[in-house]
Amino acid sequence: SAVISQKPSRDICQRGTSLTIQCQVDSQVTMMFWYRQQPGQSLTLIATANQGSEATYESGFVIDKFPISRPNLTFSTLTVSNMSPEDSSIYLCSVFSGVGETQYFGPGTRLLVL
Amino acid sequence: KQEVTQIPAALSVPEGENLVLNCSFTDSAIYNLQWFRQDPGKGLTSLLLIQSSQREQTSGRLNASLDKSSGRSTLYIAASQPGDSATYLCAVRDYKLSFGAGTTVTVRA
Repeated sequence: SAVISQKPSRDICQRGTSLTIQCQVDSQVTMMFWYRQQPGQSLTLIATANQGSEATYESGFVIDKFPISRPNLTFSTLTVSNMSPEDSSIYLCSVFSGVGETQYFGPGTRLLVL
Repeated sequence: KQEVTQIPAALSVPEGENLVLNCSFTDSAIYNLQWFRQDPGKGLTSLLLIQSSQREQTSGRLNASLDKSSGRSTLYIAASQPGDSATYLCAVRDYKLSFGAGTTVTVRA
């Protein structure tokens, strides 16, 4: 299994500002994933972060809006840039680990943009 | 593009009744399928993982089946309890994990 922690757990931000979310895993993993869960919706993959290379973004998400860093095999950050109220969501970090590559999720970062 | 559908969207049952949650997906070329539980305001907890070569997985009161050829999975929860109240998400993995919208379950005491 994998234990994932995220910081901050929640934040309230003003529009036009940026927030960086940190994700720490208790074991080394090749890929880390960032998801968004908008209010009342299911999860949508934002991007996949590999150590030592550029993140791969899903359709509808761009690097300028959601820059990602992956400095080592246990850590990643996601920045939500130039925020608007539409960015109010839960942002979750995730990894594959263990037998069969079960996917594990962090507790999420709850973001409210005013 | 993989589409994952969960039916019903919501379910309310009295305590002790068995729960049946359905998940369907459009592309059968999957690596595995995973069922998660999400409590309000919380992250996701993995319940069961079924590999594409498997037909079912069991854990305690939970049993999940997979029919890859027809693009269906079913999660059975036996003898439901109020603590089973949560949103249950089905996710299918091909090159990425695609989620259904979830089934919100309420078990009435």
